[in-house]
Amino acid sequence: GENVEQHPSTLSVQEGDSAVIKCTYSDSASNYFPWYKQELGKRPQLIIDIRSNVGEKKDQRIAVTLNKTAKHFSLHITETQPEDSAVYFCAASYSGNTPLVFGKGTRLSVIA
Amino acid sequence: KAGVTQTPRYLIKTRGQQVTLSCSPISGHRSVSWYQQTPGQGLQFLFEYFSETQRNKGNFPGRFSGRQFSNSRSEMNVSTLELGDSALYLCASSLGAGAYNEQFFGPGTRLTVL
Repeated sequence: GENVEQHPSTLSVQEGDSAVIKCTYSDSASNYFPWYKQELGKRPQLIIDIRSNVGEKKDQRIAVTLNKTAKHFSLHITETQPEDSAVYFCAASYSGNTPLVFGKGTRLSVIA
Repeated sequence: KAGVTQTPRYLIKTRGQQVTLSCSPISGHRSVSWYQQTPGQGLQFLFEYFSETQRNKGNFPGRFSGRQFSNSRSEMNVSTLELGDSALYLCASSLGAGAYNEQFFGPGTRLTVL
């Protein structure tokens, strides 16, 4: 089955800097890659997703890139703000009928 | 529109007992998935239900079971509790079945097994 590795497990950045979180997946058939954000004590929420027919997707300060050949995808957050502090989870699925497989999460701390 | 709700929010049980957790999806959502969240393992998929049918099941022992009712509400049951079952149990609902549909998570049930 699919396996998703996520790095780093913790990340600290200064406010205004960029943050990058990387995930690798094992099943080359995977074609859907969402990212969820979970603030402390709150529920996870979808922030961005990408499908395998595109290489990059942006939404304001966040972007996700996908490299199908290398089987990895990354979340990029620019101009980080304290409210970006949270745990971020990547996930992968190889069809709409299979469940999401999540990475173990990255705890991002933005230092003001 | 009301979000996903889960009851109870907190539970304390002892080893060997059983527990039932409940999840009410967003109105109109027919799919409910359950996840176990622990600090070391992240979010691990338990099962997915759609229209009262289990569509997928994760790699958990048979002590973990679930069901979905005709109103899309779902319950999960854990029998013969073990210390390692202590975790936050999250349910998520979506309009349709499968991973392509955005999942909306509930606040979770924090289960502590003593």
